[in-house]
Amino acid sequence: GQNIDQPTEMTATEGAIVQINCTYQTSGFNGLFWYQQHAGEAPTFLSYNVLDGLEEKGRFSSFLSRSKGYSYLLLKELQMKDSASYLCAVRDTPLVFGKGTRLSVIA
Amino acid sequence: EPEVTQTPSHQVTQMGQEVILRCVPISNHLYFYWYRQILGQKVEFLVSFYNNEISEKSEIFDDQFSVERPDGSNFTLKIRSTKLEDSAMYFCASSEVTGVGLSNQPQHFGDGTRLSIL
Repeated sequence: GQNIDQPTEMTATEGAIVQINCTYQTSGFNGLFWYQQHAGEAPTFLSYNVLDGLEEKGRFSSFLSRSKGYSYLLLKELQMKDSASYLCAVRDTPLVFGKGTRLSVIA
Repeated sequence: EPEVTQTPSHQVTQMGQEVILRCVPISNHLYFYWYRQILGQKVEFLVSFYNNEISEKSEIFDDQFSVERPDGSNFTLKIRSTKLEDSAMYFCASSEVTGVGLSNQPQHFGDGTRLSIL
């Protein structure tokens, strides 16, 4: 089966750091993606991990542990515009999405 | 930056009618996808398309659905006889290809077509 879990909602303060966790159980694994989705808009690609470790891209970093079926997305220096849903997606054979974590950034 | 474009942005259709959703993938991408997202729910995979044929499809993609690449630029999703539960946002996506037919490249999404079935 395929199961991707992430928290439903998180709140963080502008300028702070937030970590969004994702755990997955899939029959296959060909990489893990993080997408950002603002309400009513398309998902936009943030990061991709296929090997264990940390990938850094500006204010965003993503970590993967394949043995633990675990990933996190780290957002630094939070800005109000970072308020969005963050989708964890695993490429099993198709891309399987989690339900997303709705992040609210408050002043 | 090149982008995936979808038309129309919003489609309202009577139940039982046929609907065609259109997409123009990024020009050098060879792998194409359709997803749907029912309001408030997660993004769900429908179908992927490579080398002029379906490479994968989900249980949602039943006989009422079909895809086509009618020319060198367009990629369409047809729903033959729409049902109320087909109301959703439909996203087209495309990606580059690495290796032999399997893409681990990120998928780039269009802005979606909001399909409303009355």
